[in-house]
Parts: sequence; C-alpha cells; structure tokens
Amino acid sequence: KQEVTQIPAALSVPEGENLVLNCSFTDSAIYNLQWFRQDPGKGLTSLLLIQSSQREQTSGRLNASLDKSSGRSTLYIAASQPGDSATYLCAVRGGSEKLVFGKGTKLTVNP
Amino acid sequence: KAGVTQTPRYLIKTRGQQVTLSCSPISGHRSVSWYQQTPGQGLQFLFEYFSETQRNKGNFPGRFSGRQFSNSRSEMNVSTLELGDSALYLCASSLDGLARNEQFFGPGTRLTVL
Repeated sequence: KQEVTQIPAALSVPEGENLVLNCSFTDSAIYNLQWFRQDPGKGLTSLLLIQSSQREQTSGRLNASLDKSSGRSTLYIAASQPGDSATYLCAVRGGSEKLVFGKGTKLTVNP
Repeated sequence: KAGVTQTPRYLIKTRGQQVTLSCSPISGHRSVSWYQQTPGQGLQFLFEYFSETQRNKGNFPGRFSGRQFSNSRSEMNVSTLELGDSALYLCASSLDGLARNEQFFGPGTRLTVL
C-alpha cells in the first residue's frame, strides 16, 4: 500500500527566503507525482506534474524534482512571498491509478 | 476555459439524511474523480468515472456512490449520513482515463452533518 509522507508539517519563513518542501513515498512504482497548493477552505491548485520518466519540472519560481528510486520529491520555492502562504500537498499516482496524498506542509511566509 | 465546478458549495444536513453533490469537469475532460478531505484523514480517494463507467474505487462503505452522465458531469451520493461524513468533498477532472494525465480540482463542497 502506497504511503506518502510530507515533512515538515508546518514551516514559517521570512519573506525572500528560498525554501524546500519534502515528500517521500514508499512504493517507487509510480506513474507520476503532482504538487498542489491549497488555500484555507478552498480546492486544490495544481502546481507541477512530474512523470515517472522525468527528473524535474519548473514553473516560475517553483522547481520540483523527483528521485523515483529513493522515493523522494522536493518542491523548491525561490524568493518566497507572503502570497505563497498555503498548504502544499504532494500526491503520487501508482499502480492503483488513484492519487495518494500526503498530509501536506503548511507554509507561512512572514512579511 | 472554465475550470471544474462543483455545486452546491456548502451543505448542512442531519444524520440519516442523504445528499447529492454535483461536479462539472473542464470542457473536453472525460474522467472525473472524487475525494474526501477531513482534518484527521487528509485527502482520500472515493472513486473515479470515465465514459460513464466506474473504473476505480476507494475504501469507502457502500453508502457512498456515484455516477457519470454522457456529458461527463458526475454526481456523488451519500445515503444515511453520519457525523463522520462531515468533510470537504473535492472533484477532479482529467482529459481521459490515462494515469499520466494531470488532475485539476474544483473548489469543493463543504458538507456539515449535524
């Protein structure tokens, strides 16, 4: 059974700092991994999708990497802004073809 | 292009009642998945529909059911509501049933069971 873990559960940083969010998964037989952002009480916004054959994806200030063999992914956020404050979720799609989510990292960027 | 829409956005029901939630996928998307989000369990997969057929199901009791229409819109039904069914129900759509495709989520329906 696939399990996804995100560490830390919460992170508080000053504005302008570069930061890394971590995601690990137990079964490396995945199709892809997707990073999402969720604002309080809202739905999920897709940030980046990394296919199993890819090592990284970039979108603006965001860069996600995938190391399938070690079961790890990182989301790098450059020059963080208060508007980046949200909960970040990673989800993997494996053999069952359903998305399995981590519990998320709640990020607070302080002005 | 409009995103995934879900109606209603908020619902309050009492124990024992039933509820139907609706999801309209992004135009052209044919796959719809449903998820339940609670503070304790996080996001959990309920089921996925593609071309009006359920192709995947999570570990939820039979009180949770769904269907998909020919226009790809989907409904989810929960019967005999329990207090523990209070949650944010999220719908996601993707282009087709292929696992490689990105999933796009709607704003969710907040269900409160009293």
